[in-house]
Amino acid sequence: GNSVTQMEGPVTLSEEAFLTINCTYTATGYPSLFWYVQYPGEGLQLLLKATKADDKGSNKGFEATYRKETTSFHLEKGSVQVSDSAVYFCALSSGAGSYQLTFGKGTKLSVIP
Amino acid sequence: GAGVSQTPSNKVTEKGKYVELRCDPISGHTALYWYRQSLGQGPEFLIYFQGTGAADDSGLPNDRFFAVRPEGSVSTLKIQRTERGDSAVYLCASSLMSGGTGELFFGEGSRLTVL
Repeated sequence: GNSVTQMEGPVTLSEEAFLTINCTYTATGYPSLFWYVQYPGEGLQLLLKATKADDKGSNKGFEATYRKETTSFHLEKGSVQVSDSAVYFCALSSGAGSYQLTFGKGTKLSVIP
Repeated sequence: GAGVSQTPSNKVTEKGKYVELRCDPISGHTALYWYRQSLGQGPEFLIYFQGTGAADDSGLPNDRFFAVRPEGSVSTLKIQRTERGDSAVYLCASSLMSGGTGELFFGEGSRLTVL
């Protein structure tokens, strides 16, 4: 079955530091890949997505590239801000027509001034 | 409001009691999903509605769990004879389309604690 493994947190960084949160997956076929973010007191919201190999999703300075050869979708940001403090979830769906998302356990990021 | 609304935000109940959790999706969204998030885990799929019908309930853990969406909008997740292991945050999401590349919009969740 499908599964997502992401690096365990919590991760604490200083403002303007470089961020990487690793995510690898196991899936049959051609999954779509997502990063969702949950800010304190808010619901999960889509941060970025990629639907096929070598696609790069990007939003709010965050990027992730769909790497089929390494089954990975690592999240990166060049310079984090305090406002990026949140829990980040990597997720996949089995592709077009599929509606179930399989999530990783989440990585809590704290950015300190 | 414009987002997915879930009530109650917190529910504390005793083992063996019956619980209902409500979800009001974004207007016009035909697809509705329930997920469950246990402490330290990512959300896990429970059930998916397309319109009024449950298109896939394969994630419901057992027959104590049931969900309805009678008019294709608001949905209620019902849990009978609650157990301590049911304690979790129950998340509702909706989307315009049911395809795998569509964006899901999540509510803030209903935190259920079974004593």
